Amino acid sequence: QQQVKQSPQSLIVQKGGISIINCAYENTAFDYFPWYQQFPGKGPALLIAIRPDVSEKKEGRFTISFNKSAKQFSLHIMDSQPGDSATYFCAARKDQGGKLIFGQGTELSVKP
Amino acid sequence: KAGVTQTPRYLIKTRGQQVTLSCSPISGHRSVSWYQQTPGQGLQFLFEYFSETQRNKGNFPGRFSGRQFSNSRSEMNVSTLELGDSALYLCASSSTTSGGWHEQYFGPGTRLTVT
Repeated sequence: QQQVKQSPQSLIVQKGGISIINCAYENTAFDYFPWYQQFPGKGPALLIAIRPDVSEKKEGRFTISFNKSAKQFSLHIMDSQPGDSATYFCAARKDQGGKLIFGQGTELSVKP
Repeated sequence: KAGVTQTPRYLIKTRGQQVTLSCSPISGHRSVSWYQQTPGQGLQFLFEYFSETQRNKGNFPGRFSGRQFSNSRSEMNVSTLELGDSALYLCASSSTTSGGWHEQYFGPGTRLTVT
């Protein structure tokens, strides 16, 4: 019940295309769902986050879509750029404690 | 504001030794969490400290311990190192303002290699 499953494991997208990464969770007590971006040799950087009371949140080229009934959420990167090439992690947390449960990560490669 | 800082950035230790890693949170952040990142297991939660008290703990053996000081800086210690402890150790800090989302911001990590 503590798992967060992320797919795909790797993704190749052409420049200008849409990158879509999906996550599914089981624990309905989760109430905070962030996405992180990590470049090699760096720590994860918070991209965007959502709570279950909304179905979508958009920040620039990044959008989270949230489906509470299906217990799924996804990250859409519009107009993908080579600079977006990185590993992306979804995560979930319940309450306001520090324990983030992470997905396994998606390695995104955007080809010029 | 300065981000989360971690020292040292790289460390090589021998099996059986112990190691101490340090983390300075973003100014004003009182919660510090630690994570272990490995290619096989991904990002796994170790523990969280708030106001010098451990508030949450992950599923790691007792060889992994931590503490937090009154200035919110935190240290984690791993005793009797094993080869499998080789990993990137990440520290994250978060604000605990009432009504906030308590977003976690990560430092660059300490790369620990056990030989």
